[in-house]
Amino acid sequence: NAGVTQTPKFQVLKTGQSMTLQCAQDMNHEYMSWYRQDPGMGLRLIHYSVGAGITDQGEVPNGYNVSRSTTEDFPLRLLSAAPSQTSVYFCASRRATRTLYSENEQFFGPGTRLTVL
Amino acid sequence: DQQVKQNSPSLSVQEGRISILNCDYTNSMFDYFLWYKKYPAEGPTFLISISSIKDKNEDGRFTVFLNKSAKHLSLHIVPSQPGDSAVYFCAASGRKTSYDKVIFGPGTSLSVIP
Repeated sequence: NAGVTQTPKFQVLKTGQSMTLQCAQDMNHEYMSWYRQDPGMGLRLIHYSVGAGITDQGEVPNGYNVSRSTTEDFPLRLLSAAPSQTSVYFCASRRATRTLYSENEQFFGPGTRLTVL
Repeated sequence: DQQVKQNSPSLSVQEGRISILNCDYTNSMFDYFLWYKKYPAEGPTFLISISSIKDKNEDGRFTVFLNKSAKHLSLHIVPSQPGDSAVYFCAASGRKTSYDKVIFGPGTSLSVIP
């Protein structure tokens, strides 16, 4: 299993450009999410999905769009990049259902480092 | 408004001693808590978790304690090793919250000095 894969690893954009960060997982996980990591802010949830066709907003959704057409893929779109979106982006996946007796760990990809000039 | 807080941005500990990392949360709907470890240029990796029906969970050198009344949890690493030097994130989720989102704290950078 490759786990969670993200492409590209690095990206530089100019303000106003658009791009899509790719995320794929091969563990048949229902739940997928996108986080951004900024110094002193930790990991902040952008958007998440509990299954194909179902997405919802996290803590910092503005400026980002997502869609989930398959279980495996969960791309993150920046429609008009801004310098405030300079960050490291992590995609994660896990099983959707759990009880208080089961583990619920998320598996993270290696990250995409994005710079917006 | 941060729902998961880690008030110590950094911690330095001598090799062989105990490392204690603290985490506080504000949302009483959280019922599952996790710790993740992150090395530079890598994604976070799961370390240990605890559900609200327990007050302690151990896995080798790592123990997590949960105090629900104080909305506080801590991660103990004994003995600390240089390879434990990393950023540690506390995270929380709740089955009754919307779609069981996982919310992370800002992280604590641990340095274990040989």
